[in-house]
Amino acid sequence: AQTVTQSQPEMSVQEAETVTLSCTYDTSESDYYLFWYKQPPSRQMILVIRQEAYKQQNATENRFSVNFQKAAKSFSLKISDSQLGDAAMYFCAYRRIFGNEKLTFGTGTRLTIIP
Amino acid sequence: DVKVTQSSRYLVKRTGEKVFLECVQDMDHENMFWYRQDPGLGLRLIYFSYDVKMKEKGDIPEGYSVSREKKERFSLILESASTNQTSMYLCASRIQGQPQHFGDGTRLSIL
Repeated sequence: AQTVTQSQPEMSVQEAETVTLSCTYDTSESDYYLFWYKQPPSRQMILVIRQEAYKQQNATENRFSVNFQKAAKSFSLKISDSQLGDAAMYFCAYRRIFGNEKLTFGTGTRLTIIP
Repeated sequence: DVKVTQSSRYLVKRTGEKVFLECVQDMDHENMFWYRQDPGLGLRLIYFSYDVKMKEKGDIPEGYSVSREKKERFSLILESASTNQTSMYLCASRIQGQPQHFGDGTRLSIL
């Protein structure tokens, strides 16, 4: 069974600084998707970034980028130029490409932005 | 833009009651999901449906059932609510090949 581990329950960063959130996963599949979701106090889960395992290039979305290390099964999220609106719970998630469509989530990291 | 609507933002029920949580999506998505979110546990899949009247158990289906009579609506049913089902419930939907879109969640309290 696939598992996703986020070892940092809480993180904080000064506004305008850079922060990296960690995620590791375990799978026997060779092709899969990895995601970072953000959940602000409004509670809606928002997709931040997606990575396909067969792509070697790390995904980037504006200030958000990932460091995907397939051999190490590591998928960290880097937030550059942190803003107050980045404060949220961040969840790492895994999904197989074929078959079962479910997402397997990590336990989340609560990110606080210090003004 | 995709809209996934959960019928209640907050809900308080009593032990033993039958509870219905409703979820509606407006984008003709085939797949719909119900998750439960608890602190320190992340989101865990209860049930999902890949078509009308089709359903599959997720990781924690015990004590729950689901209904999908129409494509746009996916209902989660607590047959006899218990206090350990107090939680945040999130509905999601997706079309094949695309990421899941989530509703705003229902915070359910069972007294």
